[in-house]
Amino acid sequence: SQKIEQNSEALNIQEGKTATLTCNYTNYSPAYLQWYRQDPGRGPVFLLLIRENEKEKRKERLKVTFDTTLKQSLFHITASQPADSATYLCALDDYGQNFVFGPGTRLSVLP
Amino acid sequence: EAGVAQSPRYKIIEKRQSVAFWCNPISGHATLYWYQQILGQGPKLLIQFQNNGVVDDSQLPKDRFSAERLKGVDSTLKIQPAKLEDSAVYLCASSPTTGGGNTIYFGEGSWLTVV
Repeated sequence: SQKIEQNSEALNIQEGKTATLTCNYTNYSPAYLQWYRQDPGRGPVFLLLIRENEKEKRKERLKVTFDTTLKQSLFHITASQPADSATYLCALDDYGQNFVFGPGTRLSVLP
Repeated sequence: EAGVAQSPRYKIIEKRQSVAFWCNPISGHATLYWYQQILGQGPKLLIQFQNNGVVDDSQLPKDRFSAERLKGVDSTLKIQPAKLEDSAVYLCASSPTTGGGNTIYFGEGSWLTVV
């Protein structure tokens, strides 16, 4: 069956450092991979989308990589700030079918 | 542009009672989703509508959950009778179309506690 894993439930880093979150999957061949941010008590908010034929995507301080051979995506936040503290969810998208979310990683950026 | 609206925000009911959640998607969005999110887990798709037709309801516990989207706009999710394990946040979301690469826009969620 399909399985999505995200590195450790929680990740603590120091302000100014780069946060790296991992999304690994098995038994799935997504055409797209998306990352969402979720704050406590709120719904997820879309951040970035990367296609299966793209290796890397950037948006301001955010960078996403997608390796379909390793079945892995890395999500980087550079120059992290306390305001980046949230839960980050990866989601696999197979042309709109089987849109599946991972369990999320709770990031805490310490001042 | 107005976001996805959901109500009620919070609901506490006793087991075996019923509850209904309402959702109004972003105007013009053809696809509407209901997700269940249990604390500490990612959202799990319950049902997906394209206009007023069901695209995917494979994970909807049909013995107790039902959902409808009349006229292809608003939607209602009902649970009857509720069980303790139904305690979760019920997230409604919408996207412009069905198909790959769409951004999904979520509402704030309806928090259900079953006691």
